[in-house]
Amino acid sequence: SQQGEEDPQALSIQEGENATMNCSYKTSINNLQWYRQNSGRGLVHLILIRSNEREKHSGRLRVTLDTSKKSSSLLITASRAADTASYFCATDVPFGNEKLTFGTGTRLTIIP
Amino acid sequence: DVKVTQSSRYLVKRTGEKVFLECVQDMDHENMFWYRQDPGLGLRLIYFSYDVKMKEKGDIPEGYSVSREKKERFSLILESASTNQTSMYLCASSPPTPVNYNEQFFGPGTRLTVL
Repeated sequence: SQQGEEDPQALSIQEGENATMNCSYKTSINNLQWYRQNSGRGLVHLILIRSNEREKHSGRLRVTLDTSKKSSSLLITASRAADTASYFCATDVPFGNEKLTFGTGTRLTIIP
Repeated sequence: DVKVTQSSRYLVKRTGEKVFLECVQDMDHENMFWYRQDPGLGLRLIYFSYDVKMKEKGDIPEGYSVSREKKERFSLILESASTNQTSMYLCASSPPTPVNYNEQFFGPGTRLTVL
């Protein structure tokens, strides 16, 4: 079963707007990560937030984590056409042998 | 920069053929992973390895096997390819925790079509 589920499945916004994606998970985690995948390519790590952190920033990215609700959000500010990609959250679990469980992804399209 | 390479970007095979997908990483990572990615299902873990000659089943190991004879190389084997194994296959590697807190580095993927 999927540990992480992203919402929405697809999102289209105008260039310059902010994009928000959400991820929900089911069990306790050590940390949560967000990855980006350009069409037909491998995944690229964007940002990691640990279970004892509530918010983290990296450039135009802002990630929040609410462990009581088992959810996370990824905010991309001032979107650009190059942000068009699929975004995945990934979680690991305590004593999980370094495995990650990925969600099904949000397909983000930035309209120029 | 970490580089993970996969032997083919596109591969077309026939039902019943034995298929080898190769993955090589150049950062001396202990952990290596094989995933398949299908529309609407996200990434699903097939097998992973945390050391040479060590392997563990992931969520969907049926129909697959793996080999890790050298630290930098992790091979995925489809013993007898079937059409339901048509998919995008992604390889990844990671250093042992807590170095990077399980951040994984991915190859470009191999799109396999089984006819």
